Amino acid sequence: KNEVEQSPQNLTAQEGEFITINCSYSVGISALHWLQQHPGGGIVSLFMLSSGKKKHGRLIATINIQEKHSSLHITASHPRDSAVYICAVRETSGSRLTFGEGTQLTVNP
Amino acid sequence: ETGVTQTPRHLVMGMTNKKSLKCEQHLGHNAMYWYKQSAKKPLELMFVYNFKEQTENNSVPSRFSPECPNSSHLFLHLHTLQPEDSALYLCASSQDSRLSAGAYEQYFGPGTRLTVT
Repeated sequence: KNEVEQSPQNLTAQEGEFITINCSYSVGISALHWLQQHPGGGIVSLFMLSSGKKKHGRLIATINIQEKHSSLHITASHPRDSAVYICAVRETSGSRLTFGEGTQLTVNP
Repeated sequence: ETGVTQTPRHLVMGMTNKKSLKCEQHLGHNAMYWYKQSAKKPLELMFVYNFKEQTENNSVPSRFSPECPNSSHLFLHLHTLQPEDSALYLCASSQDSRLSAGAYEQYFGPGTRLTVT
């Protein structure tokens, strides 16, 4: 069992829909990252958070440290949001990141 | 553009070849990372360098040999690879990798798609 679990694995939405991707982890962490990977392979860091909530444009990330859970929300989704979204945690015991398997999001026009 | 470049973007090599992957960051960061992404598997950390010193080797086979001549450049030397080493190899950088320094965002390069025949 992976220390970082994401759900769903695959998500298809219609343009304009509100999207939620979930991440649960089983270890103590100092930070949680949300990353976006496009089909070409390049990865972009969306958020790094250790508590509360962050917002950037149509993207919102929340984290509940007690419940060891984070969510990534996309409002007014667009086809260009289609990508793999990856959750990664930095454990308190070390400096490395542990990654979830990713959520493949497809937004249809 | 993330400020991290990787060359080549695609590489096909035979099992007896020797090749090198190059990563360069223009962000003034002190930490650099190599990751491997195999099909249908999560990203795996391979190596971490902080201030040119290797701080992590995640049990990587010796056929992968990293080199960090300065904080801006990172190489991954490849020799006698196996077909199962075919994957996307991603480089990343951050301000500092030390736990004591706090958590910093990592900036990723576009990756090198490696195929071993």
